[in-house]
Amino acid sequence: SQQGEEDPQALSIQEGENATMNCSYKTSINNLQWYRQNSGRGLVHLILIRSNEREKHSGRLRVTLDTSKKSSSLLITASRAADTASYFCATDLSGNTGKLIFGQGTTLQVKP
Amino acid sequence: GAGVSQTPSNKVTEKGKYVELRCDPISGHTALYWYRQSLGQGPEFLIYFQGTGAADDSGLPNDRFFAVRPEGSVSTLKIQRTERGDSAVYLCASSHPMTDTQYFGPGTRLTVL
Repeated sequence: SQQGEEDPQALSIQEGENATMNCSYKTSINNLQWYRQNSGRGLVHLILIRSNEREKHSGRLRVTLDTSKKSSSLLITASRAADTASYFCATDLSGNTGKLIFGQGTTLQVKP
Repeated sequence: GAGVSQTPSNKVTEKGKYVELRCDPISGHTALYWYRQSLGQGPEFLIYFQGTGAADDSGLPNDRFFAVRPEGSVSTLKIQRTERGDSAVYLCASSHPMTDTQYFGPGTRLTVL
């Protein structure tokens, strides 16, 4: 079964608005990673946040991690049409070999 | 530098046939991962290599699936007696020993008719 659950499953916003996606997981993690995927092919790594970190920024991206609630959020500020894609969270479990457990993803549509 | 490459990009085969999917990781990346992604789903882990050995193959669905990495670089995922349910995008990723970030290739779309 999937470790991560993303919410919402689909999101449609206007260009310039902010987009927030949430991810919940079930067991302890080493880190949590966010990926973007266009057209169902290769995944692009966006950001990695470790279990002892609470917030990370990368350009227009902001990721938070709440290990007590076993949840993470990805915020994309000032969205652009080019941000249209599917976004996945993936967890690297504690004591694991490094394999990632992915959620089902959030499909984001940014309308110009 | 060059990213992870996968060949072929698309593979169409008939039920019962044997297929091989190839992955070339980023140079210097000792860890290599295979995932499978069905339409509308997130990727699912298949197998992980550290160097030449399979460190974790718990995601392989059955004994029709096998993967090798004989020289610790290129890896081949082999599927015997393909079934229609094997149709998916097969993704390969690699990571450097000093980081946890996995870099993915573009995938091979396998269609079993």
